Amino acid sequence: SQQGEEDPQALSIQEGENATMNCSYKTSINNLQWYRQNSGRGLVHLILIRSNEREKHSGRLRVTLDTSKKSSSLLITASRAADTASYFCATASGGSYIPTFGRGTSLIVHP
Amino acid sequence: EPEVTQTPSHQVTQMGQEVILRCVPISNHLYFYWYRQILGQKVEFLVSFYNNEISEKSEIFDDQFSVERPDGSNFTLKIRSTKLEDSAMYFCASIPPYGNTIYFGEGSWLTVV
Repeated sequence: SQQGEEDPQALSIQEGENATMNCSYKTSINNLQWYRQNSGRGLVHLILIRSNEREKHSGRLRVTLDTSKKSSSLLITASRAADTASYFCATASGGSYIPTFGRGTSLIVHP
Repeated sequence: EPEVTQTPSHQVTQMGQEVILRCVPISNHLYFYWYRQILGQKVEFLVSFYNNEISEKSEIFDDQFSVERPDGSNFTLKIRSTKLEDSAMYFCASIPPYGNTIYFGEGSWLTVV
């Protein structure tokens, strides 16, 4: 299966700390995307990183991609209680640009 | 900012009944998708739709499912005879021309009893 798998499944931290989530996948990808989902809500796109990119930043988010290890990480710096959500990676590969999702990491940031 | 809108937000239906979930994608988008998420599980791809026809579908998207774009704006998912295991959140999504980012709606929560 091409889908990414996030690690850890759950992460609990204090406000102000950094949160790191990892995603591993199995075959070559075109791109990898990270999404956020608040409980019972839709998915919100955070960042897309292409297979020829190694790192991207967006505000307090930093995404890295290591295609040799088939893994990506999402770092949220200086976390806030409002960052509490589930975070998913989604990968697209081959001739399909349809993202397939992992099970997600549930992040809880305690105020 | 334009957004994908879905209706209903929540529907309860009896097993065996037909359900139609509606979506209005972002107006200039060309690719449309349905995903579903069973409670506590991963988001699963169902079907993609482009140029008024299905372009890809998953194993989940069997003969009980169908999609239509009955007019220039709406995009519907029909489940002909619902089963208990169809209970899930169903997400509609769309992609802009020349883009890779998928924009998701807020979802339609379907409960089959």
